[in-house]
Amino acid sequence: GIQVEQSPPDLILQEGANSTLRCNFSDSVNNLQWFHQNPWGQLINLFYIPSGTKQNGRLSATTVATERYSLLYISSSQTTDSGVYFCAVGVSGTASKLTFGTGTRLQVTL
Amino acid sequence: NAGVTQTPKFRVLKTGQSMTLLCAQDMNHEYMYWYRQDPGMGLRLIHYSVGEGTTAKGEVPDGYNVSRLKKQNFLLGLESAAPSQTSVYFCASSSLGVSGNTIYFGEGSWLTVV
Repeated sequence: GIQVEQSPPDLILQEGANSTLRCNFSDSVNNLQWFHQNPWGQLINLFYIPSGTKQNGRLSATTVATERYSLLYISSSQTTDSGVYFCAVGVSGTASKLTFGTGTRLQVTL
Repeated sequence: NAGVTQTPKFRVLKTGQSMTLLCAQDMNHEYMYWYRQDPGMGLRLIHYSVGEGTTAKGEVPDGYNVSRLKKQNFLLGLESAAPSQTSVYFCASSSLGVSGNTIYFGEGSWLTVV
């Protein structure tokens, strides 16, 4: 099956700093989503982005499908950004399910 | 809006006991999923459904059964719980399949098997 690797596994930032999270995948995909899991365990969908670039406030994401990677940018980080960020991909021919990476754990400190 | 609701949120089972997790969604989504999340890992798909009356196996289906008798509900059953099934279980739903659409998650169900 498809492999999804996320880096870095852990990241500690001071409030106000910027960061880039990376997601590499091993096969062509027709679906890529980024999620944030907050410290209480709730999973929130951030972006549906199988290709191209999207922005939502301080967050933006870019997927380069031909090179099999996606980037999530967090600018001016806040303590509420803490948690685990997951990348998940769907593969052509296997609609209806996502394969998740193991996540990047982000801690934003004051 | 309720979105995706899971019950119960917490449960402790003894080895060999059975239980059912209930997932309900009010978004009229065709597709529903059960995932499990273990410490330090991403989510792994247990079973999924592409519509009322249908179910299919995911990545880690052993030891679980599911049913989708109504479009809005997706049940996950453990017939004989084992300690290896201690995990956090997430239900999710989407429309038109995950390919090409956003997936919405419930808040999780914490299950401990002792």
